[in-house]
Amino acid sequence: GESVGLHLPTLSVQEGDNSIINCAYSNSASDYFIWYKQESGKGPQFIIDIRSNMDKRQGQRVTVLLNKTVKHLSLQIAATQPGDSAVYFCAENRVDGNKLVFGAGTILRVKS
Amino acid sequence: GAVVSQHPSRVICKSGTSVKIECRSLDFQATTMFWYRQFPKQSLMLMATSNEGSKATYEQGVEKDKFLINHASLTLSTLTVTSAHPEDSSFYICSARVGAGYEQYFGPGTRLTVT
Repeated sequence: GESVGLHLPTLSVQEGDNSIINCAYSNSASDYFIWYKQESGKGPQFIIDIRSNMDKRQGQRVTVLLNKTVKHLSLQIAATQPGDSAVYFCAENRVDGNKLVFGAGTILRVKS
Repeated sequence: GAVVSQHPSRVICKSGTSVKIECRSLDFQATTMFWYRQFPKQSLMLMATSNEGSKATYEQGVEKDKFLINHASLTLSTLTVTSAHPEDSSFYICSARVGAGYEQYFGPGTRLTVT
């Protein structure tokens, strides 16, 4: 199957600080992007999504930015809390096959 | 709403045996279900796409005779790992989608350990 199966990088932040998690996607034709949070031993949990005709979308404490020119996606978490500690994955919807392809993932550790 | 369950949550089996994992959409009908595999500290890798009433579409490198997928109803898909070996030990996750929409709803995953 397709994916970037690399070992996961880690981002450590202090509680209360803002976090920025980055993702590079591979296909310029992808039309929909999602950020997921995965806690240990659990399935992915939807955080926020964005369509390719947008460059920014905000949710509660989270913002997703999409830069199609360089095929880059970022997730910003405001006032990071210990409960935000998890692995974060971006995923792109491939129009050829209408399926999700996941990025490598980033471990977020929040220090109290 | 949009809850997906998996059963079992954990299973241990002996090498050479087969194990079946169920994926159910509890409060909606899923025309498409997806099966992913995730090794420790790695990302989710799509194994196959399953449409109700038709044969599954497998990703390159995934053996369809080893990973049997059945999607007999709009609320149930099963993955059977046949003749399991220790290298098949992994976290198997399913997801379900309604129609041709974008969003997928993920199950909680099944931890398979083959001894």
